[in-house]
Amino acid sequence: DAGITQSPRHKVTETGTPVTLRCHQTENHRYMYWYRQDPGHGLRLIHYSYGVKDTDKGEVSDGYSVSRSKTEDFLLTLESATSSQTSVYFCAISELTGRKEKLFFGSGTQLSVL
Amino acid sequence: AQKITQTQPGMFVQEKEAVTLDCTYDTSDQSYGLFWYKQPSSGEMIFLIYQGSYDEQNATEGRYSLNFQKARKSANLVISASQLGDSAMYFCAMRVAGMIKAAGNKLTFGGGTRVLVKP
Repeated sequence: DAGITQSPRHKVTETGTPVTLRCHQTENHRYMYWYRQDPGHGLRLIHYSYGVKDTDKGEVSDGYSVSRSKTEDFLLTLESATSSQTSVYFCAISELTGRKEKLFFGSGTQLSVL
Repeated sequence: AQKITQTQPGMFVQEKEAVTLDCTYDTSDQSYGLFWYKQPSSGEMIFLIYQGSYDEQNATEGRYSLNFQKARKSANLVISASQLGDSAMYFCAMRVAGMIKAAGNKLTFGGGTRVLVKP
């Protein structure tokens, strides 16, 4: 693996509460991503980061914000969780070796918003 | 906008046989990368193989090979000598913008194919 740790692994929360998911990597990779996975939709990009304090929106960014104050940590925040945000969230990093690229995913966070 | 299509929602394969998973893509970009991932029932996403659009040779990684047909815009995954542990969901994905540093670099995923290996 590429030293990616997601926390928490599981979370149950109530509608309207803030939630922060953490992605931590140990190998100094520059590019980090947050995806959500839902049945019938596959994996969809929420936000991504190409360096400290450099982030951008993906295709499903509404209701989410991110922060990257250190290379190793990429935080995903749901300011006010809704039931539609119940999903499995994956963090990913890019690793380039010459012209070959590999993307590695964390183990995922199962989030349930009641 | 780019799009990935996996037309096989599910398939059975006999242990020790080879299986081909279909993937077609649509992009107007000339420079892009294609990926395959495995997702077992545990939920993790496991990187399998990568093919760059300018790579002349088909990529191989152990029992995995990618049958890249650029003119047809297809990037089929071939798993040789299937094992019971190959039972999983498989996703094809594409990243446009050949230079990873380009803004907007992101992966687009297909809907996945579920593979069940029979003993």
